[in-house]
Amino acid sequence: EPEVTQTPSHQVTQMGQEVILRCVPISNHLYFYWYRQILGQKVEFLVSFYNNEISEKSEIFDDQFSVERPDGSNFTLKIRSTKLEDSAMYFCASTSQGAFYEQYFGPGTRLTVT
Amino acid sequence: GIQVEQSPPDLILQEGANSTLRCNFSDSVNNLQWFHQNPWGQLINLFYIPSGTKQNGRLSATTVATERYSLLYISSSQTTDSGVYFCAVESGTYKYIFGTGTRLKVLA
Repeated sequence: EPEVTQTPSHQVTQMGQEVILRCVPISNHLYFYWYRQILGQKVEFLVSFYNNEISEKSEIFDDQFSVERPDGSNFTLKIRSTKLEDSAMYFCASTSQGAFYEQYFGPGTRLTVT
Repeated sequence: GIQVEQSPPDLILQEGANSTLRCNFSDSVNNLQWFHQNPWGQLINLFYIPSGTKQNGRLSATTVATERYSLLYISSSQTTDSGVYFCAVESGTYKYIFGTGTRLKVLA
């Protein structure tokens, strides 16, 4: 069964450093997402991406964040200058076109900012 | 925006017991999914169930969209069922809104 993959599974970085989280969505999917979960809290929407542009972004997704689909398979989330409060699990998801659809989530990247 | 509430927030069961988890949402939805978050933090997709009833082994789910709730049933619980169960809904915005989860612990 096709699945969403994410790398790395765990990333440790120092405050102020840039990080790039990578995702490979399911190959025939057209909509891509990033979500975030701070430890012990619920999963929160960050951004959606379709047709090579951002469809919607949350208040969390400020100028420190950016997304890109650099080629036909990868989907990345960049945090330019990490803060302690960026420590969280980041999930990538994708879905196929259509009004009624299921989102497929990747296994997540645990980001720890020290 | 749409609000998603889950109950109970915490649940402790003896192995073999049955349980019902509830998800209430404040507006009509197009899509609804149930997830199990395992101890490693991975979100395991249990059901895609915008309406109706589905069953998968010991788990089943029912969504009554007109009354704005969904139920997840776990029968004959096992210790491996422990973790957090999330309900997530989508209401025309192409993004899922997650509930706060039910933390389940199954004791041997």
